Amino acid sequence: GAGVSQTPSNKVTEKGKYVELRCDPISGHTALYWYRQSLGQGPEFLIYFQGTGAADDSGLPNDRFFAVRPEGSVSTLKIQRTERGDSAVYLCASSLSRGQAKNIQYFGAGTRLSVL
Amino acid sequence: GENVEQHPSTLSVQEGDSAVIKCTYSDSASNYFPWYKQELGKRPQLIIDIRSNVGEKKDQRIAVTLNKTAKHFSLHITETQPEDSAVYFCAASGGSNYKLTFGKGTLLTVNP
Repeated sequence: GAGVSQTPSNKVTEKGKYVELRCDPISGHTALYWYRQSLGQGPEFLIYFQGTGAADDSGLPNDRFFAVRPEGSVSTLKIQRTERGDSAVYLCASSLSRGQAKNIQYFGAGTRLSVL
Repeated sequence: GENVEQHPSTLSVQEGDSAVIKCTYSDSASNYFPWYKQELGKRPQLIIDIRSNVGEKKDQRIAVTLNKTAKHFSLHITETQPEDSAVYFCAASGGSNYKLTFGKGTLLTVNP
C-alpha cells in the first residue's frame, strides 16, 4: 500500500509569504505527527494529532505556525509571514494508535521549504 | 523534556567490519527506542526498535541493546556493506503521545 505522502516535495517562497504543506498519512493511521529537520540535525517535533484534534502542539515554535486535520486523515501545516529561519525539511509521520504497533512512526519524504 | 545524545557524529569503517552507535536519554519514563536510517534526500526509514521490557533485539545484521538503568541504548551493525552508508538516528519516546525525540545523527561511511 501507499506510504505517507507529502506535497509539495519542494517549496520556494519569499520572506513574508504564507505557505501550506500537505501530508496524506497511511490509510487507517489515526496518529499523525509533524517534525522539522534542519540541515545536519535530527527531526524535531512540532505537533501531534490523534484523530482530528491536536493532542500536543508544544513543539510549534511560535504563533506563525498552525496545523489542521479536519477529517482525521490529511493534515496541512500552515506557516504565516515566513522567515528565512523557517527554511528546513518538514517531515510528516503517521502511526496506528493501538496495540504493539502504536509507537511505530512511518515518515514521508518531506517538503523542503526554502524562504528567500 | 526528553534529551537524547548520540555518538559518534561520524563513523567510517571498512566493508565487513562492525559499527556501533551509542545513545543516551534523560527521561526515565521513555519506553520506546527506534533507530532510523536516512539516505541523502530521502525519508527516515525505521530499521529496528526496542521497547523498555526487552534488553536486546536482533534482526539479521542489525542489533540493538538497551540498558535502562544507565539510560543508554546502542545500535550494532555487523558485516557492514557499502549500502549501509547513511545517516542513522536514534530516538526515544514515552508517555501518552509517543512523540519522538531524536539524536543528532551519525554519518556512517562504509568503505569498499
